[in-house]
Amino acid sequence: QKEVEQDPGPLSVPEGAIVSLNCTYSNSAFQYFMWYRQYSRKGPELLMYTYSSGNKEDGRFTAQVDKSSKYISLFIRDSQPSDSATYLCAMGGSARQLTFGSGTQLTVLP
Amino acid sequence: DVKVTQSSRYLVKRTGEKVFLECVQDMDHENMFWYRQDPGLGLRLIYFSYDVKMKEKGDIPEGYSVSREKKERFSLILESASTNQTSMYLCASRQGRGLYEQYFGPGTRLTVT
Repeated sequence: QKEVEQDPGPLSVPEGAIVSLNCTYSNSAFQYFMWYRQYSRKGPELLMYTYSSGNKEDGRFTAQVDKSSKYISLFIRDSQPSDSATYLCAMGGSARQLTFGSGTQLTVLP
Repeated sequence: DVKVTQSSRYLVKRTGEKVFLECVQDMDHENMFWYRQDPGLGLRLIYFSYDVKMKEKGDIPEGYSVSREKKERFSLILESASTNQTSMYLCASRQGRGLYEQYFGPGTRLTVT
């Protein structure tokens, strides 16, 4: 079993939809959680960073962490075609290295 | 903004060649990382460096080595390239000192024929 599981998709939604992306993990030592966005043929860019449990909002993006369930989510409101990308979750613990999910490919249709 | 640059976007090499991938960051970050990214496998850590002249193996170091002679530069070396090293290679840097966000370069797509 992988330490971090992420549904690879692909996920296709109409413009304006609310998108929910999720990861589950098995390592209870993970304390900080990130979401990266990766456009085709580009490197990942940091989108959201959350420490421990709770919610964090940044514009149309909301990151949620539920450590009791070992489950993290990224919500995208009013999705746009420019949101079409692969979204990677990443998490880390005391070792200070990150463990990445395999990514979910999202397409937002105009 | 943090800028991480990689020497090549696309590279084609022959089996058995020695390959150098260069990465430079301009934000005085202490930590630097090399990953490879393959479909369905996500990002896998090859090597990382917490400081100049320091290196530690990641999850898949076999067939690779690294060099960090200067703080801003981290090189990945494929001693004798093989076809199973065809992949997207991503460099990342991190400030360190308790800050965990990593910043990535644009990637080098390496094809070994």
